[in-house]
Amino acid sequence: RKEVEQDPGPFNVPEGATVAFNCTYSNSASQSFFWYRQDCRKEPKLLMSVYSSGNEDGRFTAQLNRASQYISLLIRDSKLSDSATYLCVVIIAGNQFYFGTGTSLTVIP
Amino acid sequence: DTAVSQTPKYLVTQMGNDKSIKCEQNLGHDTMYWYKQDSKKFLKIMFSYNNKELIINETVPNRFSPKSPDKAHLNLHINSLELGDSAVYFCASSGNRDGYTFGSGTRLTVV
Repeated sequence: RKEVEQDPGPFNVPEGATVAFNCTYSNSASQSFFWYRQDCRKEPKLLMSVYSSGNEDGRFTAQLNRASQYISLLIRDSKLSDSATYLCVVIIAGNQFYFGTGTSLTVIP
Repeated sequence: DTAVSQTPKYLVTQMGNDKSIKCEQNLGHDTMYWYKQDSKKFLKIMFSYNNKELIINETVPNRFSPKSPDKAHLNLHINSLELGDSAVYFCASSGNRDGYTFGSGTRLTVV
């Protein structure tokens, strides 16, 4: 079983829509969680950390559900510039980072 | 000012050649990584070094050999390049729970 599973999509949504991605993890000892964004032909960049209490940054909200072992990313009022691949990252211990396969989002005018 | 810099950005080479990719970070991070991203976009870890010591070595052909002269540098040498080695190779570094910082990637094309 993979450490981290993500729906690869693609998600095609109209501008202004709200879209949510989930990412499940298998190891209950996982300690830290992040969402990364990767644009085409670019490196992944940190979008936001994910905390149990939730984390909001403008139109983006990240949540962690430890009981069900998943993290989520909600994007409100989607913009064309939100089109990218979104990767979840789970740290189990120390330097054990695990990436999801990424979810592709395309925001359509 | 680039936090994680890797060179070259593009590399086109013939099968059978030997090539190296260099990576340097100025973030003071203790841990550095090499990742491979293939055409299906999946990021797969290859190696991880913590303070110059190898800590993760995934199932990677022996033709790939990382070298870390100090904790700010992690280079990747590839012998006898094969067509299947074509991919984007990302260097990254991390400090505790800060998450990763990636280099801009090296697009390797083997012809």
